[in-house]
Amino acid sequence: RKEVEQDPGPFNVPEGATVAFNCTYSNSASQSFFWYRQDCRKEPKLLMSVYSSGNEDGRFTAQLNRASQYISLLIRDSKLSDSATYLCVVNMNRDDKIIFGKGTRLHILP
Amino acid sequence: NAGVTQTPKFQVLKTGQSMTLQCAQDMNHEYMSWYRQDPGMGLRLIHYSVGAGITDQGEVPNGYNVSRSTTEDFPLRLLSAAPSQTSVYFCASSRVTEQSEAFFGQGTRLTVV
Repeated sequence: RKEVEQDPGPFNVPEGATVAFNCTYSNSASQSFFWYRQDCRKEPKLLMSVYSSGNEDGRFTAQLNRASQYISLLIRDSKLSDSATYLCVVNMNRDDKIIFGKGTRLHILP
Repeated sequence: NAGVTQTPKFQVLKTGQSMTLQCAQDMNHEYMSWYRQDPGMGLRLIHYSVGAGITDQGEVPNGYNVSRSTTEDFPLRLLSAAPSQTSVYFCASSRVTEQSEAFFGQGTRLTVV
């Protein structure tokens, strides 16, 4: 089983819709979790951290399920500008490795 | 603030040539790492470092060397370039604490012919 797995998509979603992605991780000792956004041919940038209690930032909600070893990202009222690749990131604090998922491509359709 | 600076942005090498990709950060981050990104493969960890004088291998270390003589710099050396090393390379840095954001350089697009 890969350390971090994501559905590669693409997800083609009409503007204004709600879309959700999941990401599973294999190491139960993983400590820190993040969602990054990457635009075409650009460097990844932090979208939001994922906390045990779940967290929300405007239209974005991230949740962590330790029992099932997955994190999720929910985007409400999607905008054209949300079109990007969303990367799930797990920090294995045990050996300080930061592992990225392959990313989920999202296309918001007008 | 400069953040993470990678040079060069673009490079074409011939098979067998060697070169060094430079990465520097001015945020006093302990953790630095190199990734390569290929179509459909996501970001794969090449090497990483948790501090000056300490380096370790990631998922795909073969063909690459690193060193960390200072906190600021983490160069990546290609010893003998191969076409399979054609990729986009990203350097990243962060603090070694929980929930620390990783900051990325703008990437180096390397083509080996």
